[in-house]
Amino acid sequence: AQSVAQPEDQVNVAEGNPLTVKCTYSVSGNPYLFWYVQYPNRGLQFLLKYITGDNLVKGSYGFEAEFNKSQTSFHLKKPSALVSDSALYFCAVRQRGGYQKVTFGTGTKLQVIP
Amino acid sequence: SQTIHQWPATLVQPVGSPLSLECTVEGTSNPNLYWYRQAAGRGLQLLFYSVGIGQISSEVPQNLSASRPQDRQFILSSKKLLLSDSGFYLCAWSLGGRNNEQFFGPGTRLTVL
Repeated sequence: AQSVAQPEDQVNVAEGNPLTVKCTYSVSGNPYLFWYVQYPNRGLQFLLKYITGDNLVKGSYGFEAEFNKSQTSFHLKKPSALVSDSALYFCAVRQRGGYQKVTFGTGTKLQVIP
Repeated sequence: SQTIHQWPATLVQPVGSPLSLECTVEGTSNPNLYWYRQAAGRGLQLLFYSVGIGQISSEVPQNLSASRPQDRQFILSSKKLLLSDSGFYLCAWSLGGRNNEQFFGPGTRLTVL
């Protein structure tokens, strides 16, 4: 069975500071990994994904994530946080091969303080 | 470009009443389709997914059902709503294969009273 853990319920960061939202996963074999963002009362928006290749993945709005196979992690990062980055962030994992459902984490609320 | 629509945006229904939520996708063919429920603004629970017309897989046994009468139409239904059915319902689509990020609709806020 596959699973995703987002250990922080909420992350607070000052505007202009770097931000990290943590994600660890458990899956058989190599994973597909995703990050999504959700603004209040809206659907989720895709940010970035890791499929294969370079462990550092760059995505939308200046976000990036680093795949670390030995630590089974896929932390989301941004060098300089904006107030508009305040939202709910979801990490997700999918096992390779055939049709496999995507498993989402429970979400981390990011609050960027002006 | 592809777009996904959900309606209604909000719905207030009494306990025991029926439910029908609709989701349609434009700009793509033979998408995988998904229904999720999000309770209390947090984790997503996959309810149903479909890889083709008439093909529905249920993830969680409950009083909800789903149908896919057309390639790009996905319907979530219930004959009798329960209080516990309240939540934010999200429809999503994805392509098959390796490029399989999901694209979500705007959601339906359901309140059962």
